[in-house]
Amino acid sequence: DADVTQTPRNRITKTGKRIMLECSQTKGHDRMYWYRQDPGLGLQLIYYSFDVKDINKGEISDGYSVSRQAQAKFSLSLESAIPNQTALYFCATSEGSGREKETQYFGPGTRLLVL
Amino acid sequence: DQQVKQNSPSLSVQEGRISILNCDYTNSMFDYFLWYKKYPAEGPTFLISISSIKDKNEDGRFTVFLNKSAKHLSLHIVPSQPGDSAVYFCAAIRTGNQFYFGTGTSLTVIP
Repeated sequence: DADVTQTPRNRITKTGKRIMLECSQTKGHDRMYWYRQDPGLGLQLIYYSFDVKDINKGEISDGYSVSRQAQAKFSLSLESAIPNQTALYFCATSEGSGREKETQYFGPGTRLLVL
Repeated sequence: DQQVKQNSPSLSVQEGRISILNCDYTNSMFDYFLWYKKYPAEGPTFLISISSIKDKNEDGRFTVFLNKSAKHLSLHIVPSQPGDSAVYFCAAIRTGNQFYFGTGTSLTVIP
């Protein structure tokens, strides 16, 4: 079984709809992250959480919110989806602080299309 | 502002030859660097890393070189295999802070 899972894997929605992307991990890592990937732009950080009570904005958090329901679960919500949020979304985890422990491990991604 | 740059969007190499993927960074505070490999429809997978206190790290066919004075790192794959065909991302971090990813280089290894 995969260590980091994301649901759904693919989603089509309409402008203005609220949607949630979910991430679960069995690695026992404290830290979790949400990224989006757009063609030619690499991976951009949306939000990250160092533990259940810690939530931080990344470089492109506008239009998104997150919830860390448990150590193993981190959800990303689009409150009112818009077409330029069409992208590939990745969840990642890391063990903690200090070089090797900061290595991030990624889920398989969710492909989102906003019409 | 792109702090980590991969200036070659694509690279083609013959099977058995060396693949060299390059990455440049602008922030001298970065102290840990990583390479990730990504196949279509999958998430990036960690490949190899290097600390700023080293200039080389090797793992099997993969070697990462770091030139701090030039703010440049490279990934060497020797020998290249068709299964190495993927998109490769470099990433940099200042310990305790967020990752910065490059835009990726698509490697094609021709049989």
